[in-house]
Amino acid sequence: QQQVKQSPQSLIVQKGGISIINCAYENTAFDYFPWYQQFPGKGPALLIAIRPDVSEKKEGRFTISFNKSAKQFSLHIMDSQPGDSATYFCAASKNFNKFYFGSGTKLNVKP
Amino acid sequence: GAVVSQHPSRVICKSGTSVKIECRSLDFQATTMFWYRQFPKQSLMLMATSNEGSKATYEQGVEKDKFLINHASLTLSTLTVTSAHPEDSSFYICSATRDTGELFFGEGSRLTVL
Repeated sequence: QQQVKQSPQSLIVQKGGISIINCAYENTAFDYFPWYQQFPGKGPALLIAIRPDVSEKKEGRFTISFNKSAKQFSLHIMDSQPGDSATYFCAASKNFNKFYFGSGTKLNVKP
Repeated sequence: GAVVSQHPSRVICKSGTSVKIECRSLDFQATTMFWYRQFPKQSLMLMATSNEGSKATYEQGVEKDKFLINHASLTLSTLTVTSAHPEDSSFYICSATRDTGELFFGEGSRLTVL
């Protein structure tokens, strides 16, 4: 059973636009939800993370929106730039013991 | 952010040989490290959880005799692919959790078995 479902699989956004990637999870015991950015041939890099006690977290152009009742969380990239073009993974964890990853979203920001 | 170093970044070997990949946490002690495998355009597949001073915990379907994991210290874990075959060719990535619980990844190792 897939613990974390991510959509869309791919996304094309114009420069300056907003990129939105969605994830849904099954286990209500998850208590940590990070997002990772991965460039080709590189390991994923931690971008931003949220705990379920808040509904939103913002760091620069990156915002996580969290809906506990719906068991969903999303990443919003404001003013998207070509340098943001990468694959993004959401993840979920309980007590940091094990991390379950979404299937990934390949973002392409057109100049 | 925390730094996790992985070496080598690329390795090419002949079928039947063994390859060792090292994962080091450079600025923090990691009691737990994870090893992932990633196929092209796919997500991260957890292979095993490596705990310092104890045996690794392997995910279902991962051959522990094929993928030997050693976590000898709080800053070093190694993955050895034994008797490698072309189907073992993949991108292997390690990660480590620091005391805050955040998970940081290494740069990955591209293994090509001829």
